[in-house]
Amino acid sequence: DTEVTQTPKHLVMGMTNKKSLKCEQHMGHRAMYWYKQKAKKPPELMFVYSYEKLSINESVPSRFSPECPNSSLLNLHLHALQPEDSALYLCASSLRLGTGGATRANVLTFGAGSRLTVL
Amino acid sequence: GESVGLHLPTLSVQEGDNSIINCAYSNSASDYFIWYKQESGKGPQFIIDIRSNMDKRQGQRVTVLLNKTVKHLSLQIAATQPGDSAVYFCAENLPGFQKLVFGTGTRLLVSP
Repeated sequence: DTEVTQTPKHLVMGMTNKKSLKCEQHMGHRAMYWYKQKAKKPPELMFVYSYEKLSINESVPSRFSPECPNSSLLNLHLHALQPEDSALYLCASSLRLGTGGATRANVLTFGAGSRLTVL
Repeated sequence: GESVGLHLPTLSVQEGDNSIINCAYSNSASDYFIWYKQESGKGPQFIIDIRSNMDKRQGQRVTVLLNKTVKHLSLQIAATQPGDSAVYFCAENLPGFQKLVFGTGTRLLVSP
């Protein structure tokens, strides 16, 4: 299995809703990532988990809450979002968290994304 | 031709032409670079990588060139096909940091 699977593919939610995005990989990767991508822009890093522990939080608002229940699963809990949070949310994984080494252990494998629309 | 402005830079080529997509990276200390391809409705997909101790690497129909003097990367695609139409991102790995930094991206449009 060489895939990262994200569900749902599309999500529409109101500003008062609570929803979750889910991500799964079975490649034995120990680093998992959430990225946000707006139209015509590169992916922007939100969170990184390494060995199920939160390693990086790129100053993301608390209305986004990540969770890593085990080494294969990554969730992003959404609550009280704003319309400007509408975007493609990408999950990715890598063999391990890079520490600057020039190695393919740092290469990210991305899922297809969850397209979020906040009304 | 190539257009740069408020919109995503776009390179338009004819099928069968060779394409060259350019990327200026930000940090002279970056030691590893990756090119990703993102098709419409999909996540970015790894194409090719290069370490900073190399200046050229070839794959199947793709070649990456690295010029550390001017902090420039390029991706060359030989005999471009309609299936190559996508947005291409370069990404740099910064020593001491635990993340890849993505460039702004270039849209490649291949017409039959």
